[in-house]
Amino acid sequence: NAGVTQTPKFQVLKTGQSMTLQCAQDMNHEYMSWYRQDPGMGLRLIHYSVGAGITDQGEVPNGYNVSRSTTEDFPLRLLSAAPSQTSVYFCASSRQLSGNTIYFGEGSWLTVV
Amino acid sequence: DQQVKQNSPSLSVQEGRISILNCDYTNSMFDYFLWYKKYPAEGPTFLISISSIKDKNEDGRFTVFLNKSAKHLSLHIVPSQPGDSAVYFCAASAGYGSSNTGKLIFGQGTTLQVKP
Repeated sequence: NAGVTQTPKFQVLKTGQSMTLQCAQDMNHEYMSWYRQDPGMGLRLIHYSVGAGITDQGEVPNGYNVSRSTTEDFPLRLLSAAPSQTSVYFCASSRQLSGNTIYFGEGSWLTVV
Repeated sequence: DQQVKQNSPSLSVQEGRISILNCDYTNSMFDYFLWYKKYPAEGPTFLISISSIKDKNEDGRFTVFLNKSAKHLSLHIVPSQPGDSAVYFCAASAGYGSSNTGKLIFGQGTTLQVKP
């Protein structure tokens, strides 16, 4: 009963480094998304995907890339990490595009120094 | 431009009393609203939702009220319990044809503390 699984849970990066946050779901959901949570800002949508091969930008996409080669996986890539990307990242999935419950992973804590 | 706003960063109530968390939105295209609860070091978990065709939805101790004319929703927790202490996020989504289609827009969150 895994649901949405994110790895790694904690990561420290140096400015300029790149890395990938992994996200996998086992619920056969079409819709997946990435959010970041910052103090006083709530959760802000970075990128989302409505199905394999289809991705689109959210509110704060700059500095991040995504791809959706399979229904199960939706990795988030930081191209050149910056201190402003220090945040908690949440991956989420849902069965439908809208009007449906979204399920979140447990989060990935990223610090960029 | 914050489309979903929770203007109270924190709320403290006594155990057994009612907790009322408020949320305002600006986009009239939103047609589905959700409340999520988040404990420290965990992901948000779904609590309750409401469609724009309703003005009230109840699930046990939790009731969500929607006032479309005021673009306002609220979450009532009765009676409040210490285990309800968490951060509560309201969120909104829009149907097809909206620029927000496929996006869940969150408020800033309200930290609820229920004192024993």
